[in-house]
Amino acid sequence: DIVMTQSPLSLPVTPGEPASISCRSSQSLLHSNGYNYLDWFLQKPGQSPQLLMYLGFIRASGVPDRFSGSGTGTNFTLKISRVEAEDVGVYYCMQALQTPTFGPGTKMDFK
Amino acid sequence: QVTLKESGPVLVKPTETLTLTCTVSGFSLNNARMGVTWIRQPPGKALEWLAHIFSNDEKSYTTSLKSRLTISKDTSKSQVVLTLASVDPVDTATYYCARILPLRDGYNQFDYWGQGTLVTVSS
Repeated sequence: DIVMTQSPLSLPVTPGEPASISCRSSQSLLHSNGYNYLDWFLQKPGQSPQLLMYLGFIRASGVPDRFSGSGTGTNFTLKISRVEAEDVGVYYCMQALQTPTFGPGTKMDFK
Repeated sequence: QVTLKESGPVLVKPTETLTLTCTVSGFSLNNARMGVTWIRQPPGKALEWLAHIFSNDEKSYTTSLKSRLTISKDTSKSQVVLTLASVDPVDTATYYCARILPLRDGYNQFDYWGQGTLVTVSS
């Protein structure tokens, strides 16, 4: 199985400031079609996970453009340009190249 | 409007079989290549993918639990059923089902999730 790691595991943030989460995979997630099979999910407190980004950099429907995804191969980054109150929660990366595996999660909350 | 709703027992005894049902609406389990997946989350821990099933009855299971898991669907009832045999307290978790939207070249997107159902395994 492909192993996913994330850093940091805890991310205290200040509203209005940028934030960044790193995700790494034990194998390349780059498909022969040129897309990376890497998704990002956000689980807000007390809620189900929701899809944020797919194929590494494409925002899911309704996701604000302050969220961006980048990276290729085994290294990926989720960035938030200006954190807002509704962004707190646990962020998970997930590889979709093989049978899905999730990262351990990054808990983002306010300082 | 796409919705998924998990149902099942709140409490299960060790060694028993857990049966969970995901009832879907807003899409058909007959839709070409559409699918449903099950994912669980132990309290305070990360997400773990368990299994999926597609409209053509293609199935897949996580390696670590393959011998204990069974997934099936009843298209007429718009339901997907997951069974987990010989449960143990470590199987205590919130169990989610999610819709699989197949896009390009084998990429499957988990675009809609149910609210989840918490199952506790205890004697």
